[in-house]
Amino acid sequence: GENVEQHPSTLSVQEGDSAVIKCTYSDSASNYFPWYKQELGKRPQLIIDIRSNVGEKKDQRIAVTLNKTAKHFSLHITETQPEDSAVYFCAAALTNFGNEKLTFGTGTRLTIIP
Amino acid sequence: NAGVTQTPKFQVLKTGQSMTLQCAQDMNHEYMSWYRQDPGMGLRLIHYSVGAGITDQGEVPNGYNVSRSTTEDFPLRLLSAAPSQTSVYFCASSYADLGTGGDEQFFGPGTRLTVL
Repeated sequence: GENVEQHPSTLSVQEGDSAVIKCTYSDSASNYFPWYKQELGKRPQLIIDIRSNVGEKKDQRIAVTLNKTAKHFSLHITETQPEDSAVYFCAAALTNFGNEKLTFGTGTRLTIIP
Repeated sequence: NAGVTQTPKFQVLKTGQSMTLQCAQDMNHEYMSWYRQDPGMGLRLIHYSVGAGITDQGEVPNGYNVSRSTTEDFPLRLLSAAPSQTSVYFCASSYADLGTGGDEQFFGPGTRLTVL
């Protein structure tokens, strides 16, 4: 089955600087890679996702890059703000007719230092 | 729409007790899944369903049963609770759309379960 590794497990960044979180996956057939943000005591919420036919996707201060050959993908947050502090999870899935099962990384706790 | 709802929010059980965690969605999603979240281990898939009457095992299915009699509901049953099942449980749902987009899984608010 799929295995997703995520690094680092914790990350502290000065407000205004950039943060980068990296993930690798094992199953070359996986074609969908979402990133979820989870605030303390809350549910995971999708912040950005990318499909395997795209190398990069950007949404305002958030971007994701995918390298299919190396089987890794990364989350980039620029101009970080205090509200970016949370736990971030990457995930991978093989979606044919939809997405019923995600394999998650172990999470990165991001702390933005004011 | 209420989205994905879960009950109860909190539950304390004694070892050996059984219970059912409820999950419902009002978005007419075909796919539903159950995950457990433990510190340092991310979210792990317990069981999933691709439609009413169809269920399958995920990564950590032992000690749990599911059924999907309707599109809306996907209950998770703990047969005989053990301390190792202390965790936060999340239900999620998503569309079946031929993989052309809209693959987002929507999560419920979670159930925090403690087994003594």
